[in-house]
Amino acid sequence: QKEVEQDPGPLSVPEGAIVSLNCTYSNSAFQYFMWYRQYSRKGPELLMYTYSSGNKEDGRFTAQVDKSSKYISLFIRDSQPSDSATYLCAQREEYGNKLVFGAGTILRVKS
Amino acid sequence: GAVVSQHPSRVICKSGTSVKIECRSLDFQATTMFWYRQFPKQSLMLMATSNEGSKATYEQGVEKDKFLINHASLTLSTLTVTSAHPEDSSFYICSGSRGVNSPLHFGNGTRLTVT
Repeated sequence: QKEVEQDPGPLSVPEGAIVSLNCTYSNSAFQYFMWYRQYSRKGPELLMYTYSSGNKEDGRFTAQVDKSSKYISLFIRDSQPSDSATYLCAQREEYGNKLVFGAGTILRVKS
Repeated sequence: GAVVSQHPSRVICKSGTSVKIECRSLDFQATTMFWYRQFPKQSLMLMATSNEGSKATYEQGVEKDKFLINHASLTLSTLTVTSAHPEDSSFYICSGSRGVNSPLHFGNGTRLTVT
């Protein structure tokens, strides 16, 4: 079993739709949870950074972490064609410095 | 925000030559930087952890004599691919953070093509 499972997609949605991206993980020691967006041939860009369980909202983006079920989500409201990219979840232990990445989900928002 | 600059963005070299990639943290000091490799349509694979003033820590299966890492200052880490071969062609990305409890910020990557 992989430490982090993420559906690679692609996920295609119409412009304006609410997008739900998810990851599951197996390591209960993970405490920091991140979502990165990566455009083609570019480095990953940090979108959300959360600690432990709970919700965090930033503009059209909402990150949710449920440590009891080892499940994290990223919601994108009013999706735009410019949101088309690969979204990577990443996790880290409390005192560790290594990120464990999901495989990434390809999102395509059609206008 | 935290900005990481990586240079060059693209490089083409001949087999047997060496290539150096620079990674700079522009607005923060990075005690630790990380080097990743990414194959097409795959996630990031950690190659090594670079610590300022000490030797890098390499992940299992990564040849330390082939991928030389130097972290001479708190704002600069370099990756040198020595005696490059076509199978070394890939997308290399560096990252750094402000501290232990801070997120990683990534450079824009270097696409290496070895002919």
